[in-house]
Amino acid sequence: DAGVIQSPRHEVTEMGQEVTLRCKPISGHNSLFWYRQTMMRGLELLIYFNNNVPIDDSGMPEDRFSAKMPNASFSTLKIQPSEPRDSAVYFCASSPSGRLYNEQFFGPGTRLTVL
Amino acid sequence: EDQVTQSPEALRLQEGESSSLNCSYTVSGLRGLFWYRQDPGKGPEFLFTLYSAGEEKEKERLKATLTKKESFLHITAPKPEDSATYLCAGRMNDYKLSFGAGTTVTVRA
Repeated sequence: DAGVIQSPRHEVTEMGQEVTLRCKPISGHNSLFWYRQTMMRGLELLIYFNNNVPIDDSGMPEDRFSAKMPNASFSTLKIQPSEPRDSAVYFCASSPSGRLYNEQFFGPGTRLTVL
Repeated sequence: EDQVTQSPEALRLQEGESSSLNCSYTVSGLRGLFWYRQDPGKGPEFLFTLYSAGEEKEKERLKATLTKKESFLHITAPKPEDSATYLCAGRMNDYKLSFGAGTTVTVRA
């Protein structure tokens, strides 16, 4: 099993530019999560999808952030326009369905730097 | 307010020096206490889930325990490869994890 795949691993962009982060969850996992990790705030849940449907986006910081899951094997997190305070490591995680309490499997993350 | 607090922030150990990490939580209706390990530049790696007070789980040199208010991660006779940041998280509903800030463990040979 390849695990959760994220791309790119590193992204450096200038303020105002659009940034798209990509995620391929583990095959067969029905739940997908996007997290952001910073020194100040730790690991925070941004959005949760179940069976490709957004269930909880209460963690999305503002309208500049959007996420999609067009099919079971692909999701994107987009920031438009990007700002320096968006600099962080963004993780995608997935978990299987069928059990009530499922551990989440994290990808390697995308380190985003907005100049 | 649901909250997960870890202590200490950092722990420096000699190889073989056993110690414990603490995770206290105020998560109403906790539906599982999770422990993860995170190496620099990598995503968190799942270690354990504990569901009820008194439960214990072990994996190699690590043992996790749970009470009604806190969880401990015991590291027995640690080795340098146990150096990492250890994160705990309380599960508040069917899917949402509330993470603590983590404890960074450094084991010197």
